[in-house]
Amino acid sequence: AQKVTQAQTEISVVEKEDVTLDCVYETRDTTYYLFWYKQPPSGELVFLIRRNSFDEQNEISGRYSWNFQKSTSSFNFTITASQVVDSAVYFCALSDSSGYSTLTFGKGTMLLVSP
Amino acid sequence: EAQVTQNPRYLITVTGKKLTVTCSQNMNHEYMSWYRQDPGLGLRQIYYSMNVEVTDKGDVPEGYKVSRKEKRNFPLILESPSPNQTSLYFCASSKTPDLYGYTFGSGTRLTVV
Repeated sequence: AQKVTQAQTEISVVEKEDVTLDCVYETRDTTYYLFWYKQPPSGELVFLIRRNSFDEQNEISGRYSWNFQKSTSSFNFTITASQVVDSAVYFCALSDSSGYSTLTFGKGTMLLVSP
Repeated sequence: EAQVTQNPRYLITVTGKKLTVTCSQNMNHEYMSWYRQDPGLGLRQIYYSMNVEVTDKGDVPEGYKVSRKEKRNFPLILESPSPNQTSLYFCASSKTPDLYGYTFGSGTRLTVV
């Protein structure tokens, strides 16, 4: 069975601080996909990134970066120079061959960025 | 604009009164799914559908029904709602979930009193 753990329930930072959101996953498959979604206070779920298990390159998109490490089954998300608009709940999710129609989500990390 | 549309956005109802939450997508996606979100539990899948007339249970299907008569629509039916079904519900669609993840609707906040 697949599982996603986001151990940080809530993180509070001050604007311009860097912050890393942790995600640890469990799967028996060698082929799987990892995702991050953002849920701002307005409630919608916004897709941020998808990674497949064969691509361990780190990815950077503006102030966002992702560190995928198969050796530790982690897919961590870093926001550099955080802004108030980054305040949201962030979800990590996993899809593998045991459930092609299923995304298994972590419980989410609430990020609060204060001015 | 490519989107998943859910209605209503907010609903307050009484225990036992049947209700339907509608979901429609305009992206010609085969896969559709319903999730519920509860504090401290994240998102859990209720039902999913791989195509017209093909549906299957997710992790928490008790108390819910779905149907997929047309590709674009995937309504969620609560035949006899109970207070423990008070939650935030998301409909989602995808061409291929394992490759692309899901595109989510804006959510329906349901309160059962």
